[in-house]
Amino acid sequence: EELLLESGGGLIQPGKSLRLSCAASGFTFSAYTMSWVRQAPGKGLEWVSAISGSGYNTYYADSVKGRFTVSRDNSKNTLSLHMTSLRADDSAIYYCAKPAEAFYYYYYYMHVWGKGATVTVSS
Amino acid sequence: SSELTQDPTVSVALGQTVKITCQGDNLRSNYASWYQQKPGQAPILVVYGKNNRPSGIPDRFSVSSSGNTASLTITGAQAEDEADYYCNSRDTSGDHVIFGGGTKLTVL
Repeated sequence: EELLLESGGGLIQPGKSLRLSCAASGFTFSAYTMSWVRQAPGKGLEWVSAISGSGYNTYYADSVKGRFTVSRDNSKNTLSLHMTSLRADDSAIYYCAKPAEAFYYYYYYMHVWGKGATVTVSS
Repeated sequence: SSELTQDPTVSVALGQTVKITCQGDNLRSNYASWYQQKPGQAPILVVYGKNNRPSGIPDRFSVSSSGNTASLTITGAQAEDEADYYCNSRDTSGDHVIFGGGTKLTVL
């Protein structure tokens, strides 16, 4: 069974940093471009970032570019999101997601989702 | 950049057919994928690509596309289909992903 499990969420003050992790199992992790998607309370889904299977290519939403860094460790089947200069509007549930297909172009077909990690940015 | 537009709310009588639409210029060259999300749960991929359903998704879910509009059709809606539905696709730059604002489906 393909599984994703996020960790690292919590309550954090504005301006501080936080790292989320996503542990993957049940599939060949290095073959897939992986994504982070977030959902603010009562709001819709927002794509945050993605990273290619090799880790060479990374992509970011304009709202987080320059503040968030996505990375992966294929030897540990782990995806990470390092978030800096956090703001109140970064408060959300953060999901990691695996696509339905390994071909890079279709990484937006997000088939497997974790249960999410809640990040609350507040003083 | 680009955006995907969905109707905020749609309702359907139990057992009837409903179409949920998603509009955006990038849909002229990219398929959409569709997600169902119930309160307190992670999204579930229901249809992607030309008309592919992951294992376990009922065949009452299907998609179609015309011009800048992608549509998710539920044929014979069930009470358990009541949920929020989101479309997504690549944006016009090609490297980013965008989601529609979501449609809340009510089954009457």
